[in-house]
Amino acid sequence: DTAVSQTPKYLVTQMGNDKSIKCEQNLGHDTMYWYKQDSKKFLKIMFSYNNKELIINETVPNRFSPKSPDKAHLNLHINSLELGDSAVYFCASRQGRAYNEQFFGPGTRLTVL
Amino acid sequence: SQQGEEDPQALSIQEGENATMNCSYKTSINNLQWYRQNSGRGLVHLILIRSNEREKHSGRLRVTLDTSKKSSSLLITASRAADTASYFCATDAGGYNKLIFGAGTRLAVHP
Repeated sequence: DTAVSQTPKYLVTQMGNDKSIKCEQNLGHDTMYWYKQDSKKFLKIMFSYNNKELIINETVPNRFSPKSPDKAHLNLHINSLELGDSAVYFCASRQGRAYNEQFFGPGTRLTVL
Repeated sequence: SQQGEEDPQALSIQEGENATMNCSYKTSINNLQWYRQNSGRGLVHLILIRSNEREKHSGRLRVTLDTSKKSSSLLITASRAADTASYFCATDAGGYNKLIFGAGTRLAVHP
């Protein structure tokens, strides 16, 4: 009965490869997010979807493409992986707008060799 | 750029002591939230304080907000070893705006 789940938990891959991370939430929330946490623990928003519509798109290389097939899922596809993409990627969800907490997934640790 | 800046960056205390972490931010906010992250895990929401509130309590947690100084503090009373984690403040400008996180405070509570 995990609220926000991500797969895989760990991902080790070579530079230049393409990979995807999947996120699912069973909370019935209408807004989902992708965050990147770097080695210094800085957590930065990448994308946000509300009801399958992209509402936040930070300055992220276009090698990163989010896809939301439905309200409960937000996947992240990364093309042509680079060393600097190594980080922990967190998915989160919340209901509606402000005043509501965000629920985070356990994270996906991506290592690009 | 980071909105919230936390201090101290690291804090080491003994069980039973109180831990205070501070957060400063730069722009107007709708609310400010505190999250905890245990090592290797996701973030867990602790408490949310709205811009028109000055203080909020939840169990052993006490959060204050001073919008004139653009600062907030998180106090954990009677700390336990299980409180060992990183603590992040995050500001929310409202609407569908993003949460902007600070760099976090690493708290170590020694038995």
